[in-house]
Order: sequence, then C-alpha cells, then structure tokens
Amino acid sequence: DTAVSQTPKYLVTQMGNDKSIKCEQNLGHDTMYWYKQDSKKFLKIMFSYNNKELIINETVPNRFSPKSPDKAHLNLHINSLELGDSAVYFCASSHFSSGRLNEKLFFGSGTQLSVL
Amino acid sequence: KNEVEQSPQNLTAQEGEFITINCSYSVGISALHWLQQHPGGGIVSLFMLSSGKKKHGRLIATINIQEKHSSLHITASHPRDSAVYICAARLETSGSRLTFGEGTQLTVNP
Repeated sequence: DTAVSQTPKYLVTQMGNDKSIKCEQNLGHDTMYWYKQDSKKFLKIMFSYNNKELIINETVPNRFSPKSPDKAHLNLHINSLELGDSAVYFCASSHFSSGRLNEKLFFGSGTQLSVL
Repeated sequence: KNEVEQSPQNLTAQEGEFITINCSYSVGISALHWLQQHPGGGIVSLFMLSSGKKKHGRLIATINIQEKHSSLHITASHPRDSAVYICAARLETSGSRLTFGEGTQLTVNP
C-alpha cells in the first residue's frame, strides 16, 4: 500500500493545454504539499495545505491552482501549460502536531511533466 | 547565495568507506531534514532533527545549532547508497517553509 500516491507518473502534453496531477495519502496526515524539482534537481515548495486550508502559497504563476477536496487529497491543476513548466512535481504529506510543522515528510514518487 | 548550502556537490567513494556530507545554513532553524533521492527519482525522508544526533542503521545525522551546521554520515558505504542526498531546513525567517540545499550526488563504487 503506497503511503503517498500521485498520478500520473509521466505527463507529456502540448503547450497551452490544461492538465491535472492528483495526490492522495493514506497516512492520516493533515498537511500536504506540492514541490517542484527543476532540471538541476533543486526542490522548491509551491503550496501547502493544512486541514484543507492553504497555508503556503509561494510565488508561482496563477496558472497553477491547488485543490484539496479533503485532508487526504491535494490535486494540482495547471492551465495554459508553458515550456518552462517542464519539471518533476512531487506531492508530500506530514503531520502537523501541536502546531509545529516539524514532522517527517513522506513523498510521492513524482510526476515528470514534459511540455512540448 | 542559497540560505542552505551543501558540500560536496559530488562525492565518489569506494565500497566500505566512511562518508560525510555537510549542510550549513545562514540563520536559525526550527528543524532540519535529510532526504535521499534514489536514481529512479523517488524521495525518502531519512531524518528530521532539531538538536543532537540521530542514528538509523548505517546512517548518522548530527546537528550543531550554534555553528549552524549538520552532517550526514554513512558508515561502511555500499553501492546501494548511491543517490542524491538533500538537506532541507525550516528557517526561522521562512515561517513554515522548507528551504532546500542543492543536493549531494553520492556514487559508491564496488
């Protein structure tokens, strides 16, 4: 049973299209994240949700919109895809205990997005 | 200049060698994570620490809060340890965000 699962693993699409990446965790965590890893393997936070509430919203284009229907799911929608959006996107989750975000992170396997 | 810096960027070792990867940061932190990214791309959290030392199998992570420095040690290294190791810090100036180092590519040869 995969703890944090994201789909699809690979996504190849044309510029201008709209696409979604789904993420689900079965760990009972209350905090979920989206990270972007660029071609140099550098990871950067995009969004974080705690109990379905947005708590981190980095400076990303508003073409990227996260949606959390419940605590176990955090999906990422990307509109009008651009070449520069090509990267690996990782979903992660953790438990926010006593208001401290200092718990171990569990990552999904990543989604390789290629925009042509 | 990144607020979280790792060294070395690349490290090649022979099987059995003791390995140290370093991470330094510029401001106070509330926690520091060590992550491992396998050649297949998956990321695994190895340690989360805010003080002292943690050990899991052949892996040891230490942190010195005063010196703003953490190290990840691998004893009796093995080719299956080959991966990218990433440190990430929750900086006091960045709220709940994690700031990532650029990673250390470790290759252990048989």
